[in-house]
Amino acid sequence: DTEVTQTPKHLVMGMTNKKSLKCEQHMGHRAMYWYKQKAKKPPELMFVYSYEKLSINESVPSRFSPECPNSSLLNLHLHALQPEDSALYLCASSQSRTSGGYTFGSGTRLTVV
Amino acid sequence: DAKTTQPPSMDCAEGRAANLPCNHSTISGNEYVYWYRQIHSQGPQYIIHGLKNNETNEMASLIITEDRKSSTLILPHATLRDTAVYYCIVRVANNNDMRFGAGTRLTVKP
Repeated sequence: DTEVTQTPKHLVMGMTNKKSLKCEQHMGHRAMYWYKQKAKKPPELMFVYSYEKLSINESVPSRFSPECPNSSLLNLHLHALQPEDSALYLCASSQSRTSGGYTFGSGTRLTVV
Repeated sequence: DAKTTQPPSMDCAEGRAANLPCNHSTISGNEYVYWYRQIHSQGPQYIIHGLKNNETNEMASLIITEDRKSSTLILPHATLRDTAVYYCIVRVANNNDMRFGAGTRLTVKP
């Protein structure tokens, strides 16, 4: 298996909702990443996990809460989002934080209404 | 990580070589040059990377100047499916965290 799978592919949520994005890989990669991408902009790094521990939080607002329950799974919990949080959320993995190219998922397109 | 500069857009005729430049004049000796591309509405895809020597794989060739201050990604026979945003990224050898610049939007035309 050489893929990163993200679910759901599309999500529409209200500003008072709580939802979660899921990312899964079975390549044995020990580093996983969340990126946010607005239209016509490059992906922006949000969080980095290494061996299931949070290594980097790029000053992301607390309404985004990452979780890495095991080495194959990465979640992004969403709560009280704003319309400007609407974006494509990309997950990626690599062998480790010190080596390996990234494998990206296809992303979750989030719309906050 | 060193900053990179890429032209915002380029066109290429189908079947011709596409040469995408990247300037990284502040690159350090232990920094690699990576190239990724992103086809519309998909996740970025790894293309190739190098340190000092030129590299080639089934997708592309990477030419790095001797002073390492710039590089060129070459797609030898561009097809319509190569239309994408191409990102040049410089990363320290022992730090895999990747931050994207603006990239080059390549349009391959029939």
